[in-house]
Amino acid sequence: GAGVSQSPSNKVTEKGKDVELRCDPISGHTALYWYRQSLGQGLEFLIYFQGNSAPDKSGLPSDRFSAERTGGSVSTLTIQRTQQEDSAVYLCASSSGGTGKNIQYFGAGTRLSVL
Amino acid sequence: AQKITQTQPGMFVQEKEAVTLDCTYDTSDPSYGLFWYKQPSSGEMIFLIYQGSYDQQNATEGRYSLNFQKARKSANLVISASQLGDSAMYFCAMREDRNSGGYQKVTFGIGTKLQVIP
Repeated sequence: GAGVSQSPSNKVTEKGKDVELRCDPISGHTALYWYRQSLGQGLEFLIYFQGNSAPDKSGLPSDRFSAERTGGSVSTLTIQRTQQEDSAVYLCASSSGGTGKNIQYFGAGTRLSVL
Repeated sequence: AQKITQTQPGMFVQEKEAVTLDCTYDTSDPSYGLFWYKQPSSGEMIFLIYQGSYDQQNATEGRYSLNFQKARKSANLVISASQLGDSAMYFCAMREDRNSGGYQKVTFGIGTKLQVIP
């Protein structure tokens, strides 16, 4: 596609339910990032995928959070047993990887509301 | 220590005037990249400008320029001839090019909210 696509754009769920957020990166981009942005805050790094390398999961806040990237393309961020503090905008970005500019291009985000 | 520091939580600028948004960074990596992003109220993150640590000249992109002072570890964004549409949050970010397995984590600052006054 032309840009990074995220779905759904909005998700309302009840506390304790599991949610899945999807990211479709720019075609050919080997690097994919997930961030969380709480209201009025900066971006909190969650997880990073680069090609076939093991992902960097150092930013995941708890073991309720997991992510996978299938076939080096689409990624799914899963939050199990959602809590109210999980409410935030979840942003996905992709980049070409490697050195040089390696600019991250962002999707429009998924706004998650946990009631 | 904070990797990226943006000390101005909010800034006002008169339309058509220039404004500088501050950013300082902290890294021991000799190879790194610096970015500025704009986030309007709609929420999308828009890439504005990039500066590589080895770039000799300051980056420019239209009305945006990056005042890169390597020794001071600062990467201020200058917006010339401000427009009402420039009102947004602005984030400074740094990518550190470590040698281990191509790991390239990007760290973002907390942002500066710019409001352009007519």
